[in-house]
Amino acid sequence: EVELVESGGGLVQSGRSLRLSCAASGFTFDDYSMHWVRQAPGKGLEWVSGISWNSVSIGYADSVKGRFTISRDNAKNSLYLQMNSLRVEDTALYYCAKRRGTAAAENFFDYWGQGTLVTVSS
Amino acid sequence: EIVLTQSPGTLSLSPGERATLSCRASQSVYSNYLAWYQQKPGQAPRLLIYGASSRATGIPDRFSGSGSGTDFTLTISRLEPEDFAVYHCQQYGSSPRTFGQGTKVEIK
Repeated sequence: EVELVESGGGLVQSGRSLRLSCAASGFTFDDYSMHWVRQAPGKGLEWVSGISWNSVSIGYADSVKGRFTISRDNAKNSLYLQMNSLRVEDTALYYCAKRRGTAAAENFFDYWGQGTLVTVSS
Repeated sequence: EIVLTQSPGTLSLSPGERATLSCRASQSVYSNYLAWYQQKPGQAPRLLIYGASSRATGIPDRFSGSGSGTDFTLTISRLEPEDFAVYHCQQYGSSPRTFGQGTKVEIK
């Protein structure tokens, strides 16, 4: 059974940093692209960042580019999100999500974690 | 980026009724790469539909997706108590992937 478990969220002041982790199990982690998606309180979902299976291809939303860094450790079946220069508007529940497959037609998310809450105070 | 607009914002229906949810894109979605997710309070999103009309594994056939280009629809033929939730559409044909703001299906 596929399981994604996020951790590392918390309350942090504006301008500080936080590192999120996502522990994956139940599938061959290094075969799949992984992503972070966030949901601000009462709002819709927003894609944040994604990384290919071999870390060669990485992408970021414009809203976090230059502040957030995604990485993965395939030996540890883990995904990370280093968040620097945090802003109040980064407050959200952050989900780890697995891409369905490598084909363009499979560029959606078939499994999600339960999320970890990041709250940024001013 | 492609903006997805979901309507209505809230749909109030009774169990057994038919639900029709709309997702309209600001420009054509490449190859109809459109997915629908269900989200219940305190839970992660769950994949329902991909490729506009293909049901994900284990999804009951009362859920169906249709549409192409800029107009997409999720239909729940007969609402079961467990179907009351928020539904999100997502396009994955263009970068960046974008989501709609969600439609809440609530019990009337």
